[in-house]
Amino acid sequence: QKEVEQNSGPLSVPEGAIASLNCTYSDRVSQSFFWYRQYSGKSPELIMSIYSNGDKEDGRFTAQLNKASQYVSLLIRDSQPSDSATYLCAVNAGNNRKLIWGLGTSLAVNP
Amino acid sequence: SAVISQKPSRDICQRGTSLTIQCQVDSQVTMMFWYRQQPGQSLTLIATANQGSEATYESGFVIDKFPISRPNLTFSTLTVSNMSPEDSSIYLCSVLPSASTDTQYFGPGTRLTVL
Repeated sequence: QKEVEQNSGPLSVPEGAIASLNCTYSDRVSQSFFWYRQYSGKSPELIMSIYSNGDKEDGRFTAQLNKASQYVSLLIRDSQPSDSATYLCAVNAGNNRKLIWGLGTSLAVNP
Repeated sequence: SAVISQKPSRDICQRGTSLTIQCQVDSQVTMMFWYRQQPGQSLTLIATANQGSEATYESGFVIDKFPISRPNLTFSTLTVSNMSPEDSSIYLCSVLPSASTDTQYFGPGTRLTVL
């Protein structure tokens, strides 16, 4: 069964620090990887997608993909209290365009 | 990205009744999905809503319990039938805007409480 695993947390970091969120996946043929942020009571919103090995940067966010090791990570630099949320990792399940979701990592950024 | 709305945003229902949730998109989209998110849990895909044909259900979900319609490329409905307290959840629709992307975008969700 295809799986996506994340540490549930909570991950607690001080304001201004780097938050590192990790995700591993089981299906070697996965090609598309996504990080979503979900605030309490809200729906998931896309932070970043990544398709190739290496780093992809967007503002304070950097996604890292290593297909050989089957992991994808999200770094948040200069963490702010407004970054406090649950971060969901999702992996494309194949040609049917569906996503497999991790359980999410809860992040708390402390002022 | 597409603007997605859902109605109702929340509802409280009695067991044994049914609720229909609507998902409206401001532009034509390739695919529409329905998810359930139970308290403290991640997303569980219920089904893929297919335009003009029967939805494709995931394991554990059946059409009699969760009938889905998608009459056109901008609109879909999910009905939660014969509800029980275990159906209390957030129901989310998501869309794939075009055939050239596999990034899903979500509606605001419907929070359902069944008493």
